[in-house]
Amino acid sequence: QKEVEQDPGPLSVPEGAIVSLNCTYSNSAFQYFMWYRQYSRKGPELLMYTYSSGNKEDGRFTAQVDKSSKYISLFIRDSQPSDSATYLCAAGYNFNKFYFGSGTKLNVKP
Amino acid sequence: KAGVTQTPRYLIKTRGQQVTLSCSPISGHRSVSWYQQTPGQGLQFLFEYFSETQRNKGNFPGRFSGRQFSNSRSEMNVSTLELGDSALYLCASSFREPGANVLTFGAGSRLTVL
Repeated sequence: QKEVEQDPGPLSVPEGAIVSLNCTYSNSAFQYFMWYRQYSRKGPELLMYTYSSGNKEDGRFTAQVDKSSKYISLFIRDSQPSDSATYLCAAGYNFNKFYFGSGTKLNVKP
Repeated sequence: KAGVTQTPRYLIKTRGQQVTLSCSPISGHRSVSWYQQTPGQGLQFLFEYFSETQRNKGNFPGRFSGRQFSNSRSEMNVSTLELGDSALYLCASSFREPGANVLTFGAGSRLTVL
C-alpha cells in the first residue's frame, strides 16, 4: 500500500463547476500536507500548504485535512480552463521527506 | 527572485552509461531534495541534502547518489543506467524549518535511457 493514495482520474468538468480532489494517507504521523499543480512538461507548482488538521482558503482554492480519517481534500470553486492540469497531494512528517499521490488529471471544458 | 534551476532539461543516454544532473536552489534555501517522477510510480523521494550532508534517503539502489556543495547547489548521479531509469528528475529547495519547509520545484531534467 502506498503511503498516499490518489484517484488518477481523469476528471472532466464544465467551466464554472466546483471541483473536489481527494487523497487518503496511511501514516498517522504525517503533519505537513501540500497540494501541487503540474502542467504538462513543467515542474509541480505549490498551491496550498497545511500543517496538521483544518481548513485553509486561498482565493478559489480550499484545502482540508481531516487527520481522524486521514483524508486530504482540495476544492476549486468557479473552475477555469486554465485549471486543467494534474493535481498532486503530498504528506510528510519529516523535514522535506514527502510522500506524493499519483496525481489526478483535471480537464475543465470551456 | 530566480526559481530552482535544473540542467540539463533533456538528455538521452544508453544503458550502462552514467549521468549527472545539476540543481541550483532558490537563493537562501539550504535544503535540496530530489524526486523521480514516472507515469507508473508518480513522484518518489530520492534524497535530501542540507548543509552538504544527506539528511534523508528514499528506497533507491546505490546507483543513485548525490551531493551538495557549500553554495547549496546540488548534483545527483545515476550510474550504470537501466531502461527503467527513464524519468523526469525533479529538484526542490526549501528553508527546512518548521512551517517553512514548503518545497519549490524546478522544471526537471527529463532523462531517456535507450
